[in-house]
Amino acid sequence: DAGVIQSPRHEVTEMGQEVTLRCKPISGHDYLFWYRQTMMRGLELLIYFNNNVPIDDSGMPEDRFSAKMPNASFSTLKIQPSEPRDSAVYFCASSLRLAGATDTQYFGPGTRLTVL
Amino acid sequence: AQSVTQLGSHVSVSEGALVLLRCNYSSSVPPYLFWYVQYPNQGLQLLLKYTSAATLVKGINGFEAEFKKSETSFHLTKPSAHMSDAAEYFCAVSDPGNQFYFGTGTSLTVIP
Repeated sequence: DAGVIQSPRHEVTEMGQEVTLRCKPISGHDYLFWYRQTMMRGLELLIYFNNNVPIDDSGMPEDRFSAKMPNASFSTLKIQPSEPRDSAVYFCASSLRLAGATDTQYFGPGTRLTVL
Repeated sequence: AQSVTQLGSHVSVSEGALVLLRCNYSSSVPPYLFWYVQYPNQGLQLLLKYTSAATLVKGINGFEAEFKKSETSFHLTKPSAHMSDAAEYFCAVSDPGNQFYFGTGTSLTVIP
């Protein structure tokens, strides 16, 4: 299995631009998670999906952030407009079920976003 | 509600010395507990997990952790540190049907 795939690996953009991050979960996994990691705030859960449906988006920082999962093999996290404080590493993870004995979260390599 | 506390954001050990990374949790139900490792510029990778079976859990790369209910702890240990162990380590707790709660992470430095 190829694992969780994220693209791009690095993104540099200017303030005010739209940014779209992409994720392909492991085939057969029911859950997909988006995290943000910064030095100041550590690892933060932004949103997670179950069977393509958003379940909890309470971690999404503000309306500039949106996430979609149009099908079981693809999800996007969009920031519009982007701001310098959005600079972070964004991780996507997937799991078979939410937590539990066999429900390890598998992480992608992350997208390092820099907003100038 | 669950939460997890990692004591010490930075730990330094000499190569060959014991590694001890501390994790305490709070949970209203028997938890599942995890340790993840993050190498520079990479995603998180599962080291080991506790799922109410044996209290001493062995993971990859020679790491192990012991679940101590009386102390609500799940500390990560390795008898002899290697240079390649230098990384960020995250403890996480969950209960069945609920989400993960990650700790703030501990950065491990191994001194040659």
